[in-house]
Amino acid sequence: QVQLQESGPGLVKPSETLSLTCTVSGDSLITSSWSWIRQPPGKGLEWIGKIYYSGTTEFNPSLKSRAIMSVDTSTNQFSLKLSSVTAADTAMYYCARKTREPYYFDSWGQGILVTVSS
Amino acid sequence: IQMTQSPSSLSASVGDRVTISCRASQSIRSYLNWYQQKPGKAPKLLIYAASHLQGGVPSRFSGFESGTDFTLTISSLQTEDFATYYCQQSYRTPITFGQGTRLEIK
Repeated sequence: QVQLQESGPGLVKPSETLSLTCTVSGDSLITSSWSWIRQPPGKGLEWIGKIYYSGTTEFNPSLKSRAIMSVDTSTNQFSLKLSSVTAADTAMYYCARKTREPYYFDSWGQGILVTVSS
Repeated sequence: IQMTQSPSSLSASVGDRVTISCRASQSIRSYLNWYQQKPGKAPKLLIYAASHLQGGVPSRFSGFESGTDFTLTISSLQTEDFATYYCQQSYRTPITFGQGTRLEIK
């Protein structure tokens, strides 16, 4: 059974870069695409972007090109970097697996709360 | 693609039949999924491709589509069903979610 686990700092200063890693076990990164999704406290879900094992990425335009994702097939991990963070980036960040057709998120990490504050 | 859920909140009793609606701003064919989220937990997939029940999900959950309108129905509410529900389209990026429907105990 696939498991995903987010890791990274829980506190980031304004204007700095948020960096998170998702470790995947029980599946290979080759099988699916892998996404980051966030949820500000008390609010709804926002898709950040996705990456394939090849390194191909796609992002939500709402992030205005602040996001970068990478994949490390040797460690079965993928990562997110979000630059120039503000308080509006404070959220629970989830990594998730998106299946091939018909495309749904069937496995999620438990989430990691990232607070942007000085 | 904008996803509009209604209602935003709903009070119901154990045993009630409940329906949550989700409307897409354009055609998304059947690329519509439903998730349940409980406080402090990640979302859990309930229904995929509009009407297909995810493995392990009780059969009291069902999904229906009609054009750009989608519904999630819980036929007989159980205590464990009180949670927030989200629809999500995967037809086109950026992937988008509805704003959520909070289902509370009456």
